[in-house]
Amino acid sequence: EVQLLESGGGLVQPGGSLRLSCAASGFTFSSYGMTWVRQAPGKGLEWVSSISASGGDTFYADSVKGRFSISRDNSKNTVYLQMSSLRVEDTALYYCAKRDVALGYGMDVWGQGTAVTVSS
Amino acid sequence: EIVLTQSPATLSLSPGERATLSCRASQSVSNYLAWYQQRPGQAPRLLIYDASNRATGIPARFSGSGSGTDFTLTISSLEPEDFAVYYCQQRSNWPLTFGGGTKVENK
Repeated sequence: EVQLLESGGGLVQPGGSLRLSCAASGFTFSSYGMTWVRQAPGKGLEWVSSISASGGDTFYADSVKGRFSISRDNSKNTVYLQMSSLRVEDTALYYCAKRDVALGYGMDVWGQGTAVTVSS
Repeated sequence: EIVLTQSPATLSLSPGERATLSCRASQSVSNYLAWYQQRPGQAPRLLIYDASNRATGIPARFSGSGSGTDFTLTISSLEPEDFAVYYCQQRSNWPLTFGGGTKVENK
């Protein structure tokens, strides 16, 4: 079964750091780009960051550029999101998703999300 | 940044009715547009990619059309499980962007 399982969320103070992980199974992880998307409580979807299959190319939303870093370990079938200098407005449910070139780079597999709360 | 504007914000319909959702881009995205469905408490699900192609396992009652700046998602006959929020998303340019969503609610 194709699956993504996020972890690492929690409560953190403004200015703090957190590292999210997304463990993949059921597909050839190293062949697919991966993406993080977040959803603030009661709000819509916001793209956060993407990484290519090899890890050589990374992309960030302006709202997180310079504070978040995406990486992957293809030997562990895991993608990470290192978040620093966290702000209250980073509070959201963070999803990881697989992008499939055969489906127009659509995000065809999603995890259930990990919640991040930034509050003092 | 390409802004995607979805309309209406809310669509109140009954099961069996036809739903027509709109997504307008601030500049041309060619056909590089996807649609997602999000049911309450669930992760989004890919419905349509490249404007008009149904993703794997998506029922034929879902169809997408459009190119350039104007796109439409049509649900030909609403089933009870189709009441949800729908988002469009473009991949023409970085940053990737999503529309604000259209909620299809049961009248």
